[in-house]
Amino acid sequence: KAGVTQTPRYLIKTRGQQVTLSCSPISGHRSVSWYQQTPGQGLQFLFEYFSETQRNKGNFPGRFSGRQFSNSRSEMNVSTLELGDSALYLCASSGGTGEGETQYFGPGTRLLVL
Amino acid sequence: AQTVTQSQPEMSVQEAETVTLSCTYDTSENNYYLFWYKQPPSRQMILVIRQEAYKQQNATENRFSVNFQKAAKSFSLKISDSQLGDTAMYFCAFMKRGDDKIIFGKGTRLHILP
Repeated sequence: KAGVTQTPRYLIKTRGQQVTLSCSPISGHRSVSWYQQTPGQGLQFLFEYFSETQRNKGNFPGRFSGRQFSNSRSEMNVSTLELGDSALYLCASSGGTGEGETQYFGPGTRLLVL
Repeated sequence: AQTVTQSQPEMSVQEAETVTLSCTYDTSENNYYLFWYKQPPSRQMILVIRQEAYKQQNATENRFSVNFQKAAKSFSLKISDSQLGDTAMYFCAFMKRGDDKIIFGKGTRLHILP
């Protein structure tokens, strides 16, 4: 089975712009979670989608949003980028039953905001 | 709210030695899962081991084992016969049962020296 894929792998944007990141889960997985990793704050949960519905949301401003499509692929969008949004964005997929199933992570998208 | 604390920011050990990484957590939940993830320089997040809180027996995966003390809310990782490829950032993580949101500690950077 192919693993979790994320595109693009690297992005450079300027303040005020918006960005869309994509995540394709492992085939058959219906849950996709997004995390932000920064040196200062570590790994923080952004949100989780299951069957096209947001089930859980972390403590991030409304500039961060996401969606999931019927094929379980997910996108996250960040509008009005700020310097502090520079981070590694990781997505993870799992079966989504909530029974402690392993979350498999993608390689991440590294976003640099100038 | 749940928290995960890793008190050792960085550790170094010689190849073939045994090393133990510490982790404590705080939760009022009774049903949950604990994980150790490894993030090598490639930044790919890899699951090392997981523990169901309702299981008394400590989880083991080849050279990796945990010491799970539920009452003390402690979850340490022991790596036996350490190898150069074990060099990575190690994250202790918590997930409530019925949830797909992982809460990570700040990580321990482990260096295996030749």
